[in-house]
Amino acid sequence: DIQMTQSPASLSASLGETVTIECRASEDIYSNLAWYQQKPGNSPQLLIYDANSLADGVPSRFSGSGSGTQYSLKISSMQTEDEGVYFCQQGLKYPYTFGAGTKLELK
Amino acid sequence: QVQLQQSGAELAKPGSSVKISCKASGYTFTSYYISWIKQTTGQGLEYIGYINTGSGGTNYNEKFKGKATLTVDKSSSTAFMQLSSLTPDDSAVYYCARVNYDYFDYWGQGVMVTVSS
Repeated sequence: DIQMTQSPASLSASLGETVTIECRASEDIYSNLAWYQQKPGNSPQLLIYDANSLADGVPSRFSGSGSGTQYSLKISSMQTEDEGVYFCQQGLKYPYTFGAGTKLELK
Repeated sequence: QVQLQQSGAELAKPGSSVKISCKASGYTFTSYYISWIKQTTGQGLEYIGYINTGSGGTNYNEKFKGKATLTVDKSSSTAFMQLSSLTPDDSAVYYCARVNYDYFDYWGQGVMVTVSS
């Protein structure tokens, strides 16, 4: 199975700060990567697909980039509502696999 | 609007089975596969498998073969997952999600399954 390694495991950011979360795949996943946000008590919600495409309704402060085995999610200006856990997911090979998550808190 | 409405929480005894449902609305049910995903605090998110809602064909993560059985009822736009021979390790929140190419664009609200004697 393809292993997805996320970093950091947790971080805190101030309002307006730029946040970057990294995801590394154990092999080349050719940009078949999605990012999700999960708030406490809720199901995950799609933010980014195909490594850099913004899902419908997602604020433009979210962006994704990367290629090969290295990918990142950037929040350009941290907002209160961005607190939550962020997961990456590879969609190249079955079984699809997820990163362990990054917990983002407001400082 | 697209919605996936899952059934309620389950409390089950070890060795028993549970069957949870996922009712889709707001789109053509047979145009998208449905996947199931397990979430635990320790193991994070684990992909269980998918069902082709048109043909009923399935694909399972090897880890869940023999544990999960995916079925579908097209007439009611509902997908089902049965979990058998339950152990405490099966205690988790289980999500259904609509598959869009290689990612999950809509998720159900989740079903908490608790296995305890």
